[in-house]
Amino acid sequence: EDQVTQSPEALRLQEGESSSLNCSYTVSGLRGLFWYRQDPGKGPEFLFTLYSAGEEKEKERLKATLTKKESFLHITAPKPEDSATYLCAADGSSNTGKLIFGQGTTLQVKP
Amino acid sequence: GAGVSQSPSNKVTEKGKDVELRCDPISGHTALYWYRQSLGQGLEFLIYFQGNSAPDKSGLPSDRFSAERTGGSVSTLTIQRTQQEDSAVYLCASSPQGLGEAFFGQGTRLTVV
Repeated sequence: EDQVTQSPEALRLQEGESSSLNCSYTVSGLRGLFWYRQDPGKGPEFLFTLYSAGEEKEKERLKATLTKKESFLHITAPKPEDSATYLCAADGSSNTGKLIFGQGTTLQVKP
Repeated sequence: GAGVSQSPSNKVTEKGKDVELRCDPISGHTALYWYRQSLGQGLEFLIYFQGNSAPDKSGLPSDRFSAERTGGSVSTLTIQRTQQEDSAVYLCASSPQGLGEAFFGQGTRLTVV
């Protein structure tokens, strides 16, 4: 059965303190690994798609990487506005674009 | 252009009543998805549409849940005889042909009292 697990569940950082969020996946025939950001009361906002091991993508202070079993979302010198829940999702064996989501990591960045 | 639009934003209903939730996807996106997000839970897949057809309904939790899509555009999720455990945020997403990233609406928060 396809499964996505994120860790940690919650993360508190000081402004400027870099860290990484982990997403482990067990998916047969991975077609894409997605990262979303979700603010309270809003729908998930698309950040990145990764398709193959070794691929990296960057956007401002965020960088996403992919291996055959995990993806990492690296946050460099975070700011308070980066506080949100970060969701990882895999498009796998269904061949429909259906996403299997992890539980999310709630990030709080304190000034 | 416009993103995915859902209505209503919030819905409070009495147990046993029927509710309809609406989703307007991004124009031209043939794939449409419904997900459910319960408090403290991850997003749970409900149903997938390609055009007006629903080839994957595997996530619908019971026969009280149904969905349709018309004109390859607007979709309606209907929950009959609502129960308290149906309380959640219902999210709609669309993507071009089911490939690549899906874009989400803001969700409908359903509360069954």
